[in-house]
Amino acid sequence: DTGVSQDPRHKITKRGQNVTFRCDPISEHNRLYWYRQTLGQGPEFLTYFQNEAQLEKSRLLSDRFSAERPKGSFSTLEIQRTEQGDSAMYLCASSFLGDGTEAFFGQGTRLTVV
Amino acid sequence: SQKIEQNSEALNIQEGKTATLTCNYTNYSPAYLQWYRQDPGRGPVFLLLIRENEKEKRKERLKVTFDTTLKQSLFHITASQPADSATYLCAPYNDYKLSFGAGTTVTVRA
Repeated sequence: DTGVSQDPRHKITKRGQNVTFRCDPISEHNRLYWYRQTLGQGPEFLTYFQNEAQLEKSRLLSDRFSAERPKGSFSTLEIQRTEQGDSAMYLCASSFLGDGTEAFFGQGTRLTVV
Repeated sequence: SQKIEQNSEALNIQEGKTATLTCNYTNYSPAYLQWYRQDPGRGPVFLLLIRENEKEKRKERLKVTFDTTLKQSLFHITASQPADSATYLCAPYNDYKLSFGAGTTVTVRA
């Protein structure tokens, strides 16, 4: 399967714990995005990378969130000191460079903070 | 602030009819607008892209229009089928990223 893959698919954690999610984009894609989606809402932009450079981070993103993309390949999203409000689906997407190009999404990681 | 509004109500239609979904945006000037389909528990899947200089785009039974003066896009599913039942997301492309509306859920009855 050459699509975008995310791991794990589901994560249940206790409040205050740290969690890390992984995203493997389509290998030829230079751009990688992280989004968060809650029930009944559309995906909300968190951050994006072009190769290994993190070019934009949402102003809504707490400093408990950090993302990396070492060597411009896979990416990780870490949430420190999780809160119940962090419960959501975390989606990763990748795309080619170029304006307006379509994004390919992974299946997401469903986080539940108890 | 920037806002993307899609039909607030879910759409229930009879098989064979046309579904029309509306997307209105404010404080954006997107050069492109994309539409995605999302099934429960899955990531969005790209359907169509329309550029600001295009009025209409078609792909099989799908049609999208883009009116940059009204700041509106319409998405049509013609000859709808039960397999078209899903949530459809409008996504203006601006500053190298997509922003999404809340989506419109379409249910097609056989």
